[in-house]
Amino acid sequence: AAGVIQSPRHLIKEKRETATLKCYPIPRHDTVYWYQQGPGQDPQFLISFYEKMQSDKGSIPDRFSAQQFSDYHSELNMSSLELGDSALYFCASSFSGSSYEQYFGPGTRLTVT
Amino acid sequence: GEDVEQSLFLSVREGDSSVINCTYTDSSSTYLYWYKQEPGAGLQLLTYIFSNMDMKQDQRLTVLLNKKDKHLSLRIADTQTGDSAIYFCAEEWDTDKLIFGTGTRLQVFP
Repeated sequence: AAGVIQSPRHLIKEKRETATLKCYPIPRHDTVYWYQQGPGQDPQFLISFYEKMQSDKGSIPDRFSAQQFSDYHSELNMSSLELGDSALYFCASSFSGSSYEQYFGPGTRLTVT
Repeated sequence: GEDVEQSLFLSVREGDSSVINCTYTDSSSTYLYWYKQEPGAGLQLLTYIFSNMDMKQDQRLTVLLNKKDKHLSLRIADTQTGDSAIYFCAEEWDTDKLIFGTGTRLQVFP
């Protein structure tokens, strides 16, 4: 079965650079969620989109922005990167008709040097 | 409340049962979840339980929910070495976002 696809899988950036993470949800899923997992920590909710509109916002820095496109894929844009942004970034998707099942992608490991 | 707590480590012998516990604070959560994360990998949805249920069984997995005490547990029967991973409980909070527990590292030894 098709799963959530994230790209790139690994990304190395320097401080103050920008990064764009992409997420392709499971076909027919209309809701996308972004989570950040720091080393040895639990995943923290960043932001979510339903039908291309932002539906909820968590602890997402102002330096980050995200959007969902007409094909339901989503991009997380991160600017002025800081060392503390180094983490695993997960995207999850669900279908609004059964939103209790969130399926996670493999994650993008971002390293800021 | 957004605090979801779990014990950090659990070590069991192969073939024994494992019980991973979780306490949560938001009594209005509709669904509660268990995710598995292997080293360097993503989060795999194992199972979930609706808040009006007490128990759910899915093959080797049994979820028990005590809503009064806000306590959730995951029992893995006949634990195998391939079950070694970090297990996160999560509660659905507000508009479907998940609040994760601190994670329990399960180590299975032969």
